[in-house]
Amino acid sequence: QQKVQQSPESLTVSEGAMASLNCTFSDGTSNNFRWYRQHSAKGLEVLVSIFSDGEKEEGRFTAHLNRANLHVSLHIREPQPSDSAVYLCAVSMGNAGAKLTFGGGTRLTVRP
Amino acid sequence: EAAVTQSPRNKVAVTGGKVTLSCNQTNNHNNMYWYRQDTGHGLRLIHYSYGAGSTEKGDIPDGYKASRPSQENFSLILELATPSQTSVYFCASGDRVQDTQYFGPGTRLLVL
Repeated sequence: QQKVQQSPESLTVSEGAMASLNCTFSDGTSNNFRWYRQHSAKGLEVLVSIFSDGEKEEGRFTAHLNRANLHVSLHIREPQPSDSAVYLCAVSMGNAGAKLTFGGGTRLTVRP
Repeated sequence: EAAVTQSPRNKVAVTGGKVTLSCNQTNNHNNMYWYRQDTGHGLRLIHYSYGAGSTEKGDIPDGYKASRPSQENFSLILELATPSQTSVYFCASGDRVQDTQYFGPGTRLLVL
């Protein structure tokens, strides 16, 4: 069964400094990766989806995927206090209707 | 962007009672999902559906039933609620092509 782990569990950065979040997965045949953001007591907002090795940028959010290392990361450029939230990594096999497996999340705090 | 709504947003139930959580999506997505989110476990898939009339068991289906009477609506049913089912429940919908899942705002359930 797929296992998805995120690190660190919590991260504090200053406004404007780069924030880097990590996610490892166990099934090397996975090919569908997403990063979600969840503000307190709110639903999940999809930030970036990536399906092949390399990087994918969506505004200030960049995902890097290295399937050989079973690793996907999220980098947030110029984070703002409004980016303070829990960030969730989600992995699936990519076929239609494939189930997502979520990591436990990283709680990001951005200090003004 | 996908619009997924859930009702009720908050619910208090008694042990042994029946609880129905409802989800509606207005984007004609084929796939719909129910998750629960608990501290230390992240998001876990309970049931999902590929279309009207279909329901499939997810990773933690015990104690839950699901119903998909139409493309737009997907319900989660707790026939005999227990305190261990106290959680935040999220509904999501997704299309078959990219299978990006769009989440509702969540329902906070407390079983006393």
